[in-house]
Amino acid sequence: DGGITQSPKYLFRKEGQNVTLSCEQNLNHDAMYWYRQDPGQGLRLIYYSQIVNDFQKGDIAEGYSVSREKKESFPLTVTSAQKNPTAFYLCASSIGVNTEAFFGQGTRLTVV
Amino acid sequence: KNQVEQSPQSLIILEGKNCTLQCNYTVSPFSNLRWYKQDTGRGPVSLTIMTFSENTKSNGRYTATLDADTKQSSLHITASQLSDSASYICVVRSSGGSYIPTFGRGTSLIVHP
Repeated sequence: DGGITQSPKYLFRKEGQNVTLSCEQNLNHDAMYWYRQDPGQGLRLIYYSQIVNDFQKGDIAEGYSVSREKKESFPLTVTSAQKNPTAFYLCASSIGVNTEAFFGQGTRLTVV
Repeated sequence: KNQVEQSPQSLIILEGKNCTLQCNYTVSPFSNLRWYKQDTGRGPVSLTIMTFSENTKSNGRYTATLDADTKQSSLHITASQLSDSASYICVVRSSGGSYIPTFGRGTSLIVHP
């Protein structure tokens, strides 16, 4: 099956700990994205990558880090510097930056 | 600043009824507008995409319209079903600058039996 997979679906962490969210795609897409979704708000872009070994900050990159060592993978690390990390995180990919984005099923991160 | 405003914020209708969701945008220059459906706790799924030259596009019981002059779009749902209960998100792309899309906050639709 072709698609984009996020894991885990639910994640719990203690405050002050770094945590990494996984995102893998087998669609052969060049572009990948990370979004954050909070209740009552639109999706906000954290980071995006147009090609392997390159990525750009989005609107709310502070407290997050990413890597793009492989075309298929774009992991997101939520660091302890992120002041309010509890949220629903969505990963997406697209052929190019101006084409349809396909989303994963999301990871709900809860920091206690 | 590019903005996408959706209305209403939430909507409750009875099964079988029709409804229309609105999207107003200030994104310029305009490239395309896409409607997504997002079930609770899931990722968004594209319903339809509208480009500058398109006025109407249908996908089953979903019909999207676009008025590029007034910068408005609507999503009409016909003969609603319980499975239509979801959040509907309007996303607009600009043809200039970074190509990063602007997301609306979504309309939460609840269909009651």
